[in-house]
Amino acid sequence: SQTIHQWPATLVQPVGSPLSLECTVEGTSNPNLYWYRQAAGRGLQLLFYSVGIGQISSEVPQNLSASRPQDRQFILSSKKLLLSDSGFYLCAWSEGDTQYFGPGTRLTVL
Amino acid sequence: EDQVTQSPEALRLQEGESSSLNCSYTVSGLRGLFWYRQDPGKGPEFLFTLYSAGEEKEKERLKATLTKKESFLHITAPKPEDSATYLCAVFGGSNYKLTFGKGTLLTVNP
Repeated sequence: SQTIHQWPATLVQPVGSPLSLECTVEGTSNPNLYWYRQAAGRGLQLLFYSVGIGQISSEVPQNLSASRPQDRQFILSSKKLLLSDSGFYLCAWSEGDTQYFGPGTRLTVL
Repeated sequence: EDQVTQSPEALRLQEGESSSLNCSYTVSGLRGLFWYRQDPGKGPEFLFTLYSAGEEKEKERLKATLTKKESFLHITAPKPEDSATYLCAVFGGSNYKLTFGKGTLLTVNP
């Protein structure tokens, strides 16, 4: 069966510091991978989407970036965090139309 | 642009009191409507996919139905463990992304 992992589970970072969140999927090959952000009182916002290694589509212009160095690894990064980057970050994978989500990373930027 | 509106925003039920959650959508060429359950601090858990008007799917005390403009999630004789936020999302047209509603927070009191 397929499993999706995210780490860290929680993170507290000062404004201006770098960020690296990692997501890995087990039990499937060549999945589509997604990064979402969920802010309080708002729906899930798609940040990045990848159909394969090195292929990244960005949905929202911002100071975040994503990379897919391996088939089942997806990384979300920032060189300098802003207060507005705080939120719950979710990685998801899909086969066909259905997306399956990871446990999430709670990021607080102070 | 695809839109999803969920109502009510919050719903309190007594254990055993059946009710329904609503998801209204606007999409060009529906490819799928999805229901997820999200517990506090966790990633959304996939429940159902509906593809065409008239389709119904069931899982334990939950039944999802679909019309051309909306979907309902019926909860029969709910238990306190059914308390969660229920998210609706649509996948439409030539767009590759899911559009999510803001969710309905369901609380079932014993």
